[in-house]
Amino acid sequence: AQKVTQAQTEISVVEKEDVTLDCVYETRDTTYYLFWYKQPPSGELVFLIRRNSFDEQNEISGRYSWNFQKSTSSFNFTITASQVVDSAVYFCALIETSGSRLTFGEGTQLTVNP
Amino acid sequence: DGGITQSPKYLFRKEGQNVTLSCEQNLNHDAMYWYRQDPGQGLRLIYYSQIVNDFQKGDIAEGYSVSREKKESFPLTVTSAQKNPTAFYLCASSIDGTSGYPYEQYFGPGTRLTVT
Repeated sequence: AQKVTQAQTEISVVEKEDVTLDCVYETRDTTYYLFWYKQPPSGELVFLIRRNSFDEQNEISGRYSWNFQKSTSSFNFTITASQVVDSAVYFCALIETSGSRLTFGEGTQLTVNP
Repeated sequence: DGGITQSPKYLFRKEGQNVTLSCEQNLNHDAMYWYRQDPGQGLRLIYYSQIVNDFQKGDIAEGYSVSREKKESFPLTVTSAQKNPTAFYLCASSIDGTSGYPYEQYFGPGTRLTVT
C-alpha cells in the first residue's frame, strides 16, 4: 500500500530564512508520481509541482526547489528566502500509475514570521 | 473565471439530519473528487467520479453518498449514518480520470461542516 509521511507537523521561521519541508513515501510500484500542494488560510489547495518516478532531476521555480531522491524515497521541498505569504499548510502526495487516487501526507504547517 | 465552486463556506446542522454539500466546476473536467480534511490527518478520499453517471468509493465512503448526473456537478450528501461528520470538505476536479495519467487536481475553497 502507498503511504506518504510528513514528519514535520509545524515549522516556524523568520522571514528571509530558508526552510525545507520533508516528505518520505512508500510504494511498491516502480512507476509513480509525486505532488506538492499548498493550502493557504483560505482553504483551497493549490498545485505546486508534479514529478514522475523516472525523473530525479531537481527542479527550481523561483524561490521554490524540490529534491527528489529515490534512494531514500524522499521528495523534499525547499523555500528560499521565505516570505510571510508562504505561510500555509503544505501537502505532499503520491499516486501510483496502477491506481487512480492520490494519497496525501498529513501536511506541514509553515508559519513565516515578519 | 474558470474554477470550482463549493457552497456554502460554513454549514451547521443538527445531529441526525442529512446534509448535501454542493460542488460545481466550469473547467470542463471529466473527473471529480470529494475529500475530507481533519486536523493532523491530511486529506482522505471519500468518493470520486471519473465520468458522468459513474462514481467509486474512496477510503472513507461509509455514511456518505454522491451523484454525478451532470459533468459539472458532483454533490456530496453526508447522511445521519456518518458517525463523526464535523470536518472540512474539499471538492476537486481533474481533466481526465480514465487515461491513467495523473493530471493535477484543482480544488474548491471547501465547506466547513459542523454538526451538533
